[in-house]
Amino acid sequence: SQTIHQWPATLVQPVGSPLSLECTVEGTSNPNLYWYRQAAGRGLQLLFYSVGIGQISSEVPQNLSASRPQDRQFILSSKKLLLSDSGFYLCAWTGKETQYFGPGTRLLVL
Amino acid sequence: QKEVEQNSGPLSVPEGAIASLNCTYSDRGSQSFFWYRQYSGKSPELIMFIYSNGDKEDGRFTAQLNKASQYVSLLIRDSQPSDSATYLCAVRDSGGSNYKLTFGKGTLLTVNP
Repeated sequence: SQTIHQWPATLVQPVGSPLSLECTVEGTSNPNLYWYRQAAGRGLQLLFYSVGIGQISSEVPQNLSASRPQDRQFILSSKKLLLSDSGFYLCAWTGKETQYFGPGTRLLVL
Repeated sequence: QKEVEQNSGPLSVPEGAIASLNCTYSDRGSQSFFWYRQYSGKSPELIMFIYSNGDKEDGRFTAQLNKASQYVSLLIRDSQPSDSATYLCAVRDSGGSNYKLTFGKGTLLTVNP
């Protein structure tokens, strides 16, 4: 069966610091991968998606970036965090006509 | 801009009642519709999907789709306190070859014992 992992689970970072969040998927090959952000009281916002290694599509212009160095690895990064980057970051993969989420990383920028 | 609208709630029902959650969408070409449940502090989990007009039943859950009205709903029969969560409606974007979902902001359901 397929499993999706995210780490870290929680993170507290100062404004201006860098960020790296990792997502890995097991049990499938060549999945579509997605990064979402869910801010407090707001809906799920699609940030990036990837259909293959090195292929990244950005949905929202911001100070975040994504990379897919391996088939089942998806990384979300920032060089300098803003207060507005706080939120719940979710990685997802698409199976047959359905999308499944990882456990998420809760990020607080102070 | 594709939109998915849900009443934010909270929707409060007594235990054993039917909870009815509603969702409208703007993308007339959409063909796939999903309901996710999200417990507080947790990630969303898929509970149902529906592609065809009409009803689809899975245990205590029934999804209903009306493409002409661009309306999808979720009924939860015999509601339990454990059903208390935020329910997210999601619609697959039409057009393009990549799989993308647009989510509503969710409806908070509270089932009172």
